[in-house]
Amino acid sequence: SQQGEEDPQALSIQEGENATMNCSYKTSINNLQWYRQNSGRGLVHLILIRSNEREKHSGRLRVTLDTSKKSSSLLITASRAADTASYFCATVIQGAQKLVFGQGTRLTINP
Amino acid sequence: DGGITQSPKYLFRKEGQNVTLSCEQNLNHDAMYWYRQDPGQGLRLIYYSQIVNDFQKGDIAEGYSVSREKKESFPLTVTSAQKNPTAFYLCASAVQAGSYNEQFFGPGTRLTVL
Repeated sequence: SQQGEEDPQALSIQEGENATMNCSYKTSINNLQWYRQNSGRGLVHLILIRSNEREKHSGRLRVTLDTSKKSSSLLITASRAADTASYFCATVIQGAQKLVFGQGTRLTINP
Repeated sequence: DGGITQSPKYLFRKEGQNVTLSCEQNLNHDAMYWYRQDPGQGLRLIYYSQIVNDFQKGDIAEGYSVSREKKESFPLTVTSAQKNPTAFYLCASAVQAGSYNEQFFGPGTRLTVL
């Protein structure tokens, strides 16, 4: 079964607006990572947040983690057409040596 | 340029054939991974290797085989035992297999069974 599940599955917004994607997971984790995938390409790592962190920023990206609710959110501020992609959360289960990916959110930025 | 490469980009296979997908990295990473991605889905782990001459099964290893004879290379063979091999295959590497390391992905190979 999936460890992480993103919500919504698809999101379409206007350029300049903020985009928020959510990720929920089931078991205790060491850290949670977000990746971006452009259509037909490999994934690119965006940001990693550790289980003892609550918020992290990287440029226009803001990630939050709530371990009590087993959830994370990715906020992209001032969206651009180039942000159009699928976004995946990936969790590292405690004691494991592998990432477990969610099904992703397909984000479309309309010019 | 440092990075991870996969070849070919597109691969067509007839039913009953084995095919091998190439993955090479020059990042000096110890850990390498193979994932399968189906349309509109996330990634599922096929095999991973933490060090040369060692590898472990992932969640969907049946019908696949790998080798890790060199640090920089981790080829994946899709055998005829894999009943539904049409998918997008992604290779990744990491400094180590530890949980705090980001993974670097190749551009992928799209395999189609004719």
